[in-house]
Amino acid sequence: DAGITQSPRHKVTETGTPVTLRCHQTENHRYMYWYRQDPGHGLRLIHYSYGVKDTDKGEVSDGYSVSRSKTEDFLLTLESATSSQTSVYFCAISPPGGLFGANVLTFGAGSRLTVL
Amino acid sequence: TQLLEQSPQFLSIQEGENLTVYCNSSSVFSSLQWYRQEPGEGPVLLVTVVTGGEVKKLKRLTFQFGDARKDSSLHITAAQPGDTGLYLCAAIQGAQKLVFGQGTRLTINP
Repeated sequence: DAGITQSPRHKVTETGTPVTLRCHQTENHRYMYWYRQDPGHGLRLIHYSYGVKDTDKGEVSDGYSVSRSKTEDFLLTLESATSSQTSVYFCAISPPGGLFGANVLTFGAGSRLTVL
Repeated sequence: TQLLEQSPQFLSIQEGENLTVYCNSSSVFSSLQWYRQEPGEGPVLLVTVVTGGEVKKLKRLTFQFGDARKDSSLHITAAQPGDTGLYLCAAIQGAQKLVFGQGTRLTINP
């Protein structure tokens, strides 16, 4: 997890409450990602960022918003949490391009969110 | 519909045995990656394969990219308990976005 930290690592909340997860990197990488991991689904991309204030949607973006006001921080917000958003959330970073044009992702340790 | 299908989803074998897990798709990819994830941690990149037919070895792990660049396999020789974990394949979909398979959960019993 060198260079990338997620907070909080664990959170229990109630349906309808807002939740913000934070990803902080010290690598000065341009690209940052939020994934969720659920049994049988692997990792699914929620949103990603390709620079300060530059973000785009992934395959499961409904119910989530993101913000990136600084290179080092990428926030994921659930405006009104639902039980279907109970999951483990992973932040990842990567430099642009990478080996042979392929991304090389470095993941954080994850944030486990339970929505009751 | 999963873009990348991994099989088997679960595999439990005895220490010392060999095993192969697969990652298949109907799409062609420019490259494919394999990650390993241990409980409570994020995935860690093991290898990237780029050329059709490419074979890469990492100690007892052998990775192969299909000739048509639609599939890949991971073969482990003489599995050890330390190989236990979730193995994920991933491929590029669009600019700078990785898509993951659902994973193969491997358990090596002593």
